[in-house]
Amino acid sequence: DTAVSQTPKYLVTQMGNDKSIKCEQNLGHDTMYWYKQDSKKFLKIMFSYNNKELIINETVPNRFSPKSPDKAHLNLHINSLELGDSAVYFCASSQGVNVGTSSLFFGEGSRLTVL
Amino acid sequence: AQSVAQPEDQVNVAEGNPLTVKCTYSVSGNPYLFWYVQYPNRGLQFLLKYITGDNLVKGSYGFEAEFNKSQTSFHLKKPSALVSDSALYFCAVRDLSNDYKLSFGAGTTVTVRA
Repeated sequence: DTAVSQTPKYLVTQMGNDKSIKCEQNLGHDTMYWYKQDSKKFLKIMFSYNNKELIINETVPNRFSPKSPDKAHLNLHINSLELGDSAVYFCASSQGVNVGTSSLFFGEGSRLTVL
Repeated sequence: AQSVAQPEDQVNVAEGNPLTVKCTYSVSGNPYLFWYVQYPNRGLQFLLKYITGDNLVKGSYGFEAEFNKSQTSFHLKKPSALVSDSALYFCAVRDLSNDYKLSFGAGTTVTVRA
């Protein structure tokens, strides 16, 4: 069983469209994250939720809206897609919020291509 | 600001030779340091971490890393590399202003040739 699963794995869409990426973890963790990896492989945190509460909200355009219906799910909705949104989006989870004591478990990524 | 630097974009080694992936940090206070590995088309996997205690930390897949405070380094090492170690390696540091955040380095691509 996949511990952190994301769908879809690949997403190709036109500029201006709205799209969502879903993430689910079956590890019983209470903290989930969205990271963005750009074309140069640079990895940057976007959001984090702990028990459905937003705890990290980096400087991300408000076109990006995360939603956590329960602690096992964290979805990412993106409005009015732009070319610069093309990237691989990784979902991750951890047990607890303190990254010093909790390792991150990553999904396999969702590659978004905006044309 | 807390950060890590990985000075090498790429490291190439022959199978069976020692592998070193370099990481230096810039952190005020005591750093929490991590290594993650990303295999092709996969998510990142945790390898090891240094929080406190012994400067030599052992992790998964035969990797180890040495915390060196005087040189502000946390290099990842493996005595004998395998072709299957070919991957992208990330060093990371906990943000001291925010226990919830990890800041990742730019990554080092390791290629192990048979």
